[in-house]
Amino acid sequence: ILNVEQSPQSLHVQEGDSTNFTCSFPSSNFYALHWYRWETAKSPEALFVMTLNGDEKKKGRISATLNTKEGYSYLYIKGSQPEDSATYLCAFMAGANSKLTFGKGITLSVRP
Amino acid sequence: DADVTQTPRNRITKTGKRIMLECSQTKGHDRMYWYRQDPGLGLRLIYYSFDVKDINKGEISDGYSVSRQAQAKFSLSLESAIPNQTALYFCATSDPVETQYFGPGTRLLVL
Repeated sequence: ILNVEQSPQSLHVQEGDSTNFTCSFPSSNFYALHWYRWETAKSPEALFVMTLNGDEKKKGRISATLNTKEGYSYLYIKGSQPEDSATYLCAFMAGANSKLTFGKGITLSVRP
Repeated sequence: DADVTQTPRNRITKTGKRIMLECSQTKGHDRMYWYRQDPGLGLRLIYYSFDVKDINKGEISDGYSVSRQAQAKFSLSLESAIPNQTALYFCATSDPVETQYFGPGTRLLVL
């Protein structure tokens, strides 16, 4: 069983604060790392798929980095807004024909 | 119209009953998955299928079975439901780079 760890488990920030989350995964047999955003009462939606060491991806105020050698990825949210409140999931893939292993998620709550 | 649909969206059943959860997709993807979500445990994989003739167990397959009737359909069965199968169930498909597209979820309560 692959171990995908996310920290912190939950985070409460004020509107306008910037925040970041960590996803740790096995550094051997890396194929891809995914980030998903999961709003309450909705389904998870893909944010990023990252495959190369050193990848940096950005979507609006949200960005992510990837370090496959040390087995971690960071997700950054700049200037958090209440609509950013959601659970953020990372998922690790060990090979082209393997399945995703999800972390338990980080729940972000942004106070207006 | 939604690309990945699940029926039913909510279901209440009794211990020992057989139930089936259906999933359909219009994305043309080969790969389909069934997950369950429990509070504090994230998403856990039950079964997955990479094409019509392929069925694979996930990390928590005991008590479940699946059927991949066609590329577009993947159904999950609980042969004899038990209360600890009460959960939120998600079906998903994936594209060639494995981005997952989730259905709306089925909330199941086993009494």
